[in-house]
Amino acid sequence: EAQLVESGGALVQPGRSLRLSCVGTAFRFADSAMHWVRQPPGKGLEWVSGIDWKSEYMGYVDSVEGRFTISRDNAKRTLYLQMNSLRVEDTALYYCARDEDGFDIWGQGTMVTVSS
Amino acid sequence: EIVLTQSPATLSLAPGERATLSCRASQSVGYYLAWYQQKPGQAPRLLISDASNRAAGIPARFSGSGSGTDFTLTISSLEPEDFAVYFCQQRANWPRALTFGGGTKVEIK
Repeated sequence: EAQLVESGGALVQPGRSLRLSCVGTAFRFADSAMHWVRQPPGKGLEWVSGIDWKSEYMGYVDSVEGRFTISRDNAKRTLYLQMNSLRVEDTALYYCARDEDGFDIWGQGTMVTVSS
Repeated sequence: EIVLTQSPATLSLAPGERATLSCRASQSVGYYLAWYQQKPGQAPRLLISDASNRAAGIPARFSGSGSGTDFTLTISSLEPEDFAVYFCQQRANWPRALTFGGGTKVEIK
């Protein structure tokens, strides 16, 4: 069964950095565009960033542009999100998702809490 | 940024009734619209891609329609497991920003 597993979430202070990882199994990871989506507690979904299969195209929501960097290592079947200069408003459950004309595979999420 | 507005925010219906959910885009997204279902404590699940294509394993009671700026998700006859929150999402300008709507909660009346 195709699966995504995120890790790296933690409680951090404002201004600090964190790197999230997402490992994909049982599907052709190297052929898939991948995305990060976040959900603050009790709120809706927000697309954060995405990357095409060969790392040629990356996109970011305006609120994280310049602070977050998405990347991937296809040999390791792993998607990353480097998050710098974290803010309180970045607090959320972060999901990774596979994009096949729709986000058809999702991980279980990893929680990022930014608080002093 | 393309803004997606979902209505109503909450829909109160009984099992067996028909649910009609709306998603309106601030500018045309063509057919690049998807619908997701999310239940408490779970990740979202893809229901519909490209406005009207049911994802694998999604029951036929779920259908999507629309193009341009106005889209509809219809659940023909609500089952108990359908009470959840539904989100629409556009991908018209990828790799520029994708966006989600604010969600519609379908609750038991």
